[in-house]
Amino acid sequence: QKEVEQDPGPLSVPEGAIVSLNCTYSNSAFQYFMWYRQYSRKGPELLMYTYSSGNKEDGRFTAQVDKSSKYISLFIRDSQPSDSATYLCAMSRTGNQFYFGTGTSLTVIP
Amino acid sequence: KAGVTQTPRYLIKTRGQQVTLSCSPISGHRSVSWYQQTPGQGLQFLFEYFSETQRNKGNFPGRFSGRQFSNSRSEMNVSTLELGDSALYLCASRTGGQETQYFGPGTRLLVL
Repeated sequence: QKEVEQDPGPLSVPEGAIVSLNCTYSNSAFQYFMWYRQYSRKGPELLMYTYSSGNKEDGRFTAQVDKSSKYISLFIRDSQPSDSATYLCAMSRTGNQFYFGTGTSLTVIP
Repeated sequence: KAGVTQTPRYLIKTRGQQVTLSCSPISGHRSVSWYQQTPGQGLQFLFEYFSETQRNKGNFPGRFSGRQFSNSRSEMNVSTLELGDSALYLCASRTGGQETQYFGPGTRLLVL
């Protein structure tokens, strides 16, 4: 079983829709949680960084961590065509070694 | 501040050859990590270097090795290339504490 599971999609939504991206994990010791966005032929760029449980909001993006269910989510409000990318979740126990999901491909249709 | 740079961006090699990839971290960052990204496996951690010492290592064979220089630049070497080594190789840098990392654009390696 992989440490981190992520539905690869692809996910296709109309512009303005609310997008929900999710990851599950098996290691209950994870306490650092991140979401990255990766455009085609580019390296991943950090979107959200959360320590332990709870919610974090940054503009149109909200990250949620539910440690009891070993489940994290990223919500994108008012999605834009520029949000079309692959979204990767990542997590770490110590903040030193990171485990990534395989990524979810998102297309926002104008 | 300049971002993480990686060279070369694209590389074509044949089986059995070896390859060296280079990564220059963000100025002031002392930690450099390397990852292999493939469609099926996603991002897999290779190793991390901090102040010229390997600090963490993933589950890759000994054909994959790395080093870090005193200016924090890092190189990754893959010997005896196999077809399955075709991937995007990403490096990421951070200051060295328990915070997140910043990725370079990657080197796309194709092994024929």
